[in-house]
Amino acid sequence: NAGVTQTPKFQVLKTGQSMTLQCAQDMNHNSMYWYRQDPGMGLRLIYYSASEGTTDKGEVPNGYNVSRLNKREFSLRLESAAPSQTSVYFCASSGPGTANSPLHFGNGTRLTVT
Amino acid sequence: GDSVTQMEGPVTLSEEAFLTINCTYTATGYPSLFWYVQYPGEGLQLLLKATKADDKGSNKGFEATYRKETTSFHLEKGSVQVSDSAVYFCALSALQGAQKLVFGQGTRLTINP
Repeated sequence: NAGVTQTPKFQVLKTGQSMTLQCAQDMNHNSMYWYRQDPGMGLRLIYYSASEGTTDKGEVPNGYNVSRLNKREFSLRLESAAPSQTSVYFCASSGPGTANSPLHFGNGTRLTVT
Repeated sequence: GDSVTQMEGPVTLSEEAFLTINCTYTATGYPSLFWYVQYPGEGLQLLLKATKADDKGSNKGFEATYRKETTSFHLEKGSVQVSDSAVYFCALSALQGAQKLVFGQGTRLTINP
């Protein structure tokens, strides 16, 4: 019963390096999301994908790109990492129906940019 | 824009104490309201929700009532346990096709035996 799986769990990057965070869900959910969590700021939406083939910006999209590879997978790419992108990143998914469907979260990726 | 404000943490209580975590919101229209809980090293999990005014969400002994007149959704539990130690997030969702949640800043709760 995997749910939402994120890789890697931890990552350290130097400023200017690039990387891709991977996310996959096995619940046949239409919608997927990327959030970042910073101390004292809760979670902020970076990008989301309402359905396969679509992506939209959230509250804090600058410095990130996403790809909805198929219904299961939604990746987040940092092209040129900056120290301000040090954070914990969470992927989530939600099922069909109304906006009341709960989000299912992965366990997060802790990223440090030095 | 939409926003959620939670009481500042951290909150430390003794086992069996009464818990209240305040949450107020600002939103256009009539959002759905949620409480999520995050245990150490894990992602967030839905604790409870309410979709319209005067609805009460409840789960695992926790309750919260959607109060439109005070724009609030306070979380309560009558008798907390050590296992309730976690970070609690209040969130709202506008009625859109995707679940674009707006989160409060989170309240860290520690329960001492």
